[in-house]
Amino acid sequence: DIQMTQSPSSLSASVGDRVTITCRASQSISRSLNWYQQKQGKAPNLLIYGTSTLQSGVPSRFSGSGSGTDFTLTISSLQLEDFATYYCQQGYNHPVTFGQGTRLEIK
Amino acid sequence: QVQLVESGGGVVQPGRSLRLSCAVSGLSFGDYLMYWVRQAPGKGLEWVAHIAHHGGNEYYTDSVKGRFTISRDNSKNTLYLQMNSLRAEDTAMYFCARDLYHSGVDFLDYWGQGSLVTVSS
Repeated sequence: DIQMTQSPSSLSASVGDRVTITCRASQSISRSLNWYQQKQGKAPNLLIYGTSTLQSGVPSRFSGSGSGTDFTLTISSLQLEDFATYYCQQGYNHPVTFGQGTRLEIK
Repeated sequence: QVQLVESGGGVVQPGRSLRLSCAVSGLSFGDYLMYWVRQAPGKGLEWVAHIAHHGGNEYYTDSVKGRFTISRDNSKNTLYLQMNSLRAEDTAMYFCARDLYHSGVDFLDYWGQGSLVTVSS
């Protein structure tokens, strides 16, 4: 199975900040990388698929980039509702596998 | 609208069994591969099992092989996870999710609300 590694594991930031989360795959996955947001007590919510395509309804302050083994999720200007945990997931082959998560906290 | 509704979770003693169900509505259930993903308390997301749209191919993470069985009934639009010989380390929230293959990538775009399984004596 493909291993996914995210960094950092946690991050403190303020409203209005620009933040970046990185994700690395254990092998090349082309652009088959997805990002999810999970709030406490809720199911994960798909934000971005295929590295950079925003899921319907996702605000444009979220963006993704990368290819091969290295990927990033950027939030251009943090809003209160963005404080959550973020997971990357490879969709290159089955089983889909997840990074360990990045907890984004209010500074 | 699309809904995935899990049921069947609860508190169970080590070594006992439990069956989770995931009732799906609002999409053509039989056309899609389906996943079970779990999340232990305070931990990340872990793939548990997945099953092909027709039900003939099933796959499991190593820690549940031989103990868990994923199945589906396309006539009832329902996904199942039979969990036998439960262990304390199986304690988690269990989510079902629809896998969509689109633009060359697989992603999980619809999730249930989760069903909590607690294994404790």
